[in-house]
Amino acid sequence: KQEVTQIPAALSVPEGENLVLNCSFTDSAIYNLQWFRQDPGKGLTSLLLIQSSQREQTSGRLNASLDKSSGRSTLYIAASQPGDSATYLCWLFTGNQFYFGTGTSLTVIP
Amino acid sequence: KAGVTQTPRYLIKTRGQQVTLSCSPISGHRSVSWYQQTPGQGLQFLFEYFSETQRNKGNFPGRFSGRQFSNSRSEMNVSTLELGDSALYLCASAPVGGLYEQYFGPGTRLTVT
Repeated sequence: KQEVTQIPAALSVPEGENLVLNCSFTDSAIYNLQWFRQDPGKGLTSLLLIQSSQREQTSGRLNASLDKSSGRSTLYIAASQPGDSATYLCWLFTGNQFYFGTGTSLTVIP
Repeated sequence: KAGVTQTPRYLIKTRGQQVTLSCSPISGHRSVSWYQQTPGQGLQFLFEYFSETQRNKGNFPGRFSGRQFSNSRSEMNVSTLELGDSALYLCASAPVGGLYEQYFGPGTRLTVT
């Protein structure tokens, strides 16, 4: 059974700092991986999707990487802003099951 | 394009009752997935429908069921509600093409009393 863990569970950083969020998974047989953010009481907003054959994807200040052999994906946020405060979740598809990570709650302090 | 819509947005039910939630996917999307989000268990996958057939299934009891119609709209039904079924239920649609990229709706907040 796939286990998807995100550490740390919570993170607080000053505005302007670059930061890395981690997503670890136990089974490398994944089809693709997607990063989301969730604002309190809201649904999920897609940030980046990485196919299993890709190593990274970039969108604006965000960069996501995927290393299947080590069972890890990272989301890099450059020059963080207070508006980046949210819970960040990774999601992956194994071919017949969908899994969410445990989430990292990010607070960016002005 | 309009996004994924879910109705109702909020629902209060009594233990033992049943409930039906509705999800309308983005136009052209044929895959609809359902997820349950609780503070204790996080986000868990319920099932996925594609072209009116359940294609993938998570690890939930048979009280949780779903269906998909020919226009790709999907419903999720929970019978014999328990207090532990109180949760945010999210649906997501994905386009045809194999990437399974998920586009989420705002969710239905179900409270069981």
